[in-house]
Amino acid sequence: TAGITQAPTSQILAAGRSMTLRCTQDMRHNAMYWYRQDLGLGLRLIHYSNTAGTTGKGEVPDGYSVSRANTDDFPLTLASAVPSQTSVYFCASMEREGGEQFFGPGTRLTVL
Amino acid sequence: GQNIDQPTEMTATEGAIVQINCTYQTSGFNGLFWYQQHAGEAPTFLSYNVLDGLEEKGRFSSFLSRSKGYSYLLLKELQMKDSASYLCAVKDSGYALNFGKGTSLLVTP
Repeated sequence: TAGITQAPTSQILAAGRSMTLRCTQDMRHNAMYWYRQDLGLGLRLIHYSNTAGTTGKGEVPDGYSVSRANTDDFPLTLASAVPSQTSVYFCASMEREGGEQFFGPGTRLTVL
Repeated sequence: GQNIDQPTEMTATEGAIVQINCTYQTSGFNGLFWYQQHAGEAPTFLSYNVLDGLEEKGRFSSFLSRSKGYSYLLLKELQMKDSASYLCAVKDSGYALNFGKGTSLLVTP
């Protein structure tokens, strides 16, 4: 069982370009999340999805969009990247009714 | 809003016991989690408290007092591999986790 996979592992992106970070889970979890982690700021929630077909905004949603067409996939899109979006991005999933969140390995994104 | 506080850094000696505190003020409460994160890696689950009291799991224990908005993570018989960041997170009235900024623990010989 793979759990949660993220792609790419790392990426350098020119400012103004668009990019989609991919996240796939094989645990059939209903809820999925995107966080960014920055030094001194901890993990901050960008967007979440409680079930396929629904999404919601977290603490820092500006500049990001998500979709949840099916249970397994939860891509995060940066439409026009800016340097402040340089961060490590973690995708996570959880059974809707509680329990732990499982995290993917992360994507390290640098926007220049 | 959410406010979760934990110390930024702690240092302890191999073989000792260390307690990492977490205080929180949140708009809803559906449980408190502790995660461990080694440098360059993803967070991994350590413990979950939803009722008051102590939960023990091997060398790690976690305590919760909902009335005080307080939790701690207790690590016993510290090992060098326990050097990591420890993240306190509160599940709010939805299903999202709100994380503190983490406590960086250094275990010294």
